[in-house]
Amino acid sequence: DVKVTQSSRYLVKRTGEKVFLECVQDMDHENMFWYRQDPGLGLRLIYFSYDVKMKEKGDIPEGYSVSREKKERFSLILESASTNQTSMYLCAIFSGGGYTFGSGTRLTVV
Amino acid sequence: GQNIDQPTEMTATEGAIVQINCTYQTSGFNGLFWYQQHAGEAPTFLSYNVLDGLEEKGRFSSFLSRSKGYSYLLLKELQMKDSASYLCAVSLSSGSARQLTFGSGTQLTVLP
Repeated sequence: DVKVTQSSRYLVKRTGEKVFLECVQDMDHENMFWYRQDPGLGLRLIYFSYDVKMKEKGDIPEGYSVSREKKERFSLILESASTNQTSMYLCAIFSGGGYTFGSGTRLTVV
Repeated sequence: GQNIDQPTEMTATEGAIVQINCTYQTSGFNGLFWYQQHAGEAPTFLSYNVLDGLEEKGRFSSFLSRSKGYSYLLLKELQMKDSASYLCAVSLSSGSARQLTFGSGTQLTVLP
């Protein structure tokens, strides 16, 4: 079974900081995704990538960027963290019939 | 645009049967997924429907009607551990990669 690892389970950052969220997969999957999850809003797609150095905006890309220098690693970057980016962030890969998710990173911006 | 609707909350009793409905309006359709998510954890895959009809997997079944833009998840012999959020997600056929668009989730509470 594919494994998707997010480096941090919990993070607390200050407003204005640059924040890196890392996601690593242990197989050779092309499609990787970053979502945020908020109560009442469900999962919303931020960015996704279908190959190394390729990226596409999802539904809510503002305030975020991504990096995919190697196939197994997909990073989400908050250029200047703000309190409205406090959320649960989930990385996913598309394999077989659906998504496999990482365990999530709960980010709090103070 | 994409629109996926499911009830926000449902309550049922241990041992009972519950049906969670999902309706969708999307541009492009390549299948419908159901995920289970316990509090503080990542979603886990439950079922996938791409053709009309019922898919059964143990205590869980999922139904799809593409013409009606409708699906449901049926949970039988409810157990306390089934208390969780259930997410309906549609796979879109357009775009450079396979994407899923999610509903807001249905929080199911199973009472003793």
